[in-house]
Amino acid sequence: KNQVEQSPQSLIILEGKNCTLQCNYTVSPFSNLRWYKQDTGRGPVSLTIMTFSENTKSNGRYTATLDADTKQSSLHITASQLSDSASYICVVSGGLSGTYKYIFGTGTRLKVLA
Amino acid sequence: NAGVMQNPRHLVRRRGQEARLRCSPMKGHSHVYWYRQLPEEGLKFMVYLQKENIIDESGMPKERFSAEFPKEGPSILRIQQVVRGDSAAYFCASSPTGVSQETQYFGPGTRLLVL
Repeated sequence: KNQVEQSPQSLIILEGKNCTLQCNYTVSPFSNLRWYKQDTGRGPVSLTIMTFSENTKSNGRYTATLDADTKQSSLHITASQLSDSASYICVVSGGLSGTYKYIFGTGTRLKVLA
Repeated sequence: NAGVMQNPRHLVRRRGQEARLRCSPMKGHSHVYWYRQLPEEGLKFMVYLQKENIIDESGMPKERFSAEFPKEGPSILRIQQVVRGDSAAYFCASSPTGVSQETQYFGPGTRLLVL
């Protein structure tokens, strides 16, 4: 069964600190993996996309890693800001029924405190 | 350059009524995807449409739910005879050509509450 699991479920950190969010997936065949940020009451916004051959991808203070062998990904946020408070969702494309059919994790809720 | 637009943002219906959710894709995008997010769950794929065509509706319940994307105008997700279990956030996404690796851009969602 194609699944995406994320940990932790929620996280609270102080402004300026770093954090790392985890994603494990069982989607096969694998096409690509994205990290999305979803603010409360808004739709998800894409942060990074990685294909099978990519190990790391950065977007400003966000750095995503991918280990396609162990089917794990992480999102590292550096020097957190209050505006980073949101849900971070790991999304995998693949499976036999179409790469357009995104498979979403349940997200990690990050709260950054002043 | 407006993003994906959805309306209404919030919709309240009584059991048995109909709900119509609208999605206007980004300019130049001809591929639309609908997802549903139940409370405390991740988004789940419902249906994928191109202009005037349903490409994949495998995630959409067979009864009461329908979707269309006409040649002119927004995509519509229609839920007939709503039940309390239909209460959820419904997100629409769009992409330019539907090819693999292409990023889907999401709208703000419609939050449906069935009383």
